[in-house]
Amino acid sequence: NAGVTQTPKFRVLKTGQSMTLLCAQDMNHEYMYWYRQDPGMGLRLIHYSVGEGTTAKGEVPDGYNVSRLKKQNFLLGLESAAPSQTSVYFCASSYVQGGQINQPQHFGDGTRLSIL
Amino acid sequence: GDSVTQMEGPVTLSEEAFLTINCTYTATGYPSLFWYVQYPGEGLQLLLKATKADDKGSNKGFEATYRKETTSFHLEKGSVQVSDSAVYFCALSDRETSGSRLTFGEGTQLTVNP
Repeated sequence: NAGVTQTPKFRVLKTGQSMTLLCAQDMNHEYMYWYRQDPGMGLRLIHYSVGEGTTAKGEVPDGYNVSRLKKQNFLLGLESAAPSQTSVYFCASSYVQGGQINQPQHFGDGTRLSIL
Repeated sequence: GDSVTQMEGPVTLSEEAFLTINCTYTATGYPSLFWYVQYPGEGLQLLLKATKADDKGSNKGFEATYRKETTSFHLEKGSVQVSDSAVYFCALSDRETSGSRLTFGEGTQLTVNP
């Protein structure tokens, strides 16, 4: 049972570089999410997806793009990294059971990203 | 918009002490409420949940009751252990918003000393 897997686990970038964070889930979940975690601010939603081929903005989407080409994968891209994007990034997924939403989210172990 | 407010931390307790972490919320609809726990170096794990008023969620000795009249969902445990040391997050998911999005509180760091 892999659950939600994030790669890479750590990365250091220089300002202006680009990179993609990969999230994969093997639970056949419909919904997927990207959060960032900063000290004293809890988790804030960046983007989310309610199904394959669909994405939507969350609370803090600026500077990030996402894609959900396959149901099991959700990619987070930084086109031009900035020091303000130094953070720990978490991916999560959840399911819809019998039409009921608000099911618990399952989280990956996070990607620690530093932008110099 | 929706928001969640947790008691300020960090919280330090001795083993077997009683724990309360306060959580209050504002929401436009009828939210489901959650407590998540994060151990060092790991992602968040669901600890317990409640989906309607007066529901009590419980797990691993932790409890929380959904109080609509006070818009609260306080986390309690009668006797904490060293292994309970972690960061605890209160969160809500509002049925009025799409995608079952979660709104998190700031998190409360709990340290339990032997």
